[in-house]
Amino acid sequence: DAKTTQPTSMDCAEGRAANLPCNHSTISGNEYVYWYRQIHSQGPQYIIHGLKNNETNEMASLIITEDRKSSTLILPHATLRDTAVYYCIVRPVGGSNYKLTFGKGTLLTVNP
Amino acid sequence: EAGVAQSPRYKIIEKRQSVAFWCNPISGHATLYWYQQILGQGPKLLIQFQNNGVVDDSQLPKDRFSAERLKGVDSTLKIQPAKLEDSAVYLCASSPRQNSGANVLTFGAGSRLTVL
Repeated sequence: DAKTTQPTSMDCAEGRAANLPCNHSTISGNEYVYWYRQIHSQGPQYIIHGLKNNETNEMASLIITEDRKSSTLILPHATLRDTAVYYCIVRPVGGSNYKLTFGKGTLLTVNP
Repeated sequence: EAGVAQSPRYKIIEKRQSVAFWCNPISGHATLYWYQQILGQGPKLLIQFQNNGVVDDSQLPKDRFSAERLKGVDSTLKIQPAKLEDSAVYLCASSPRQNSGANVLTFGAGSRLTVL
């Protein structure tokens, strides 16, 4: 699986947009970009995923660069409950093994 | 739909004792995963089941860890004997099916193990 690089930590003011970057320069054409987050004392929670196009759901937006070497997760109006560790993961579309390999992620702290 | 259920939520044992964790995945989910998360690190996959068969157990310390998934539903992860370095949160996750283009995992809340 392709390796991802994320900042260790970021801060964001409540009500503002949180933009979390992820580099995946070795991503191949058949790999999805997934984002999960983990709130303290809980299991990881799926947020969004994408292959080539930008994606949006009720939680967030995912912007993938045209060369697919990096992406940005956007939380449009961050709240205190969005404070969590955010994981960016790349994983093949096909194949027999669908495991997710987690890195250390980015600790996002939303401040009042 | 009900989420992934895990028990116990917390367990404290002495080193060299044994412990077992139980997981009930989301109904109908064919694939089940056990992850180990040490404090300050991301989760690490220990074992992956497809129905009741093992798909990947390459990172499972087989001299002390064992896992089974009887009848392709519930699963149990056992550690015997426990070491200090096994102190971690053990996370269970499930997903609908293996051969899916976008395979979303749903995680349980985890079982926190402290080995003294």
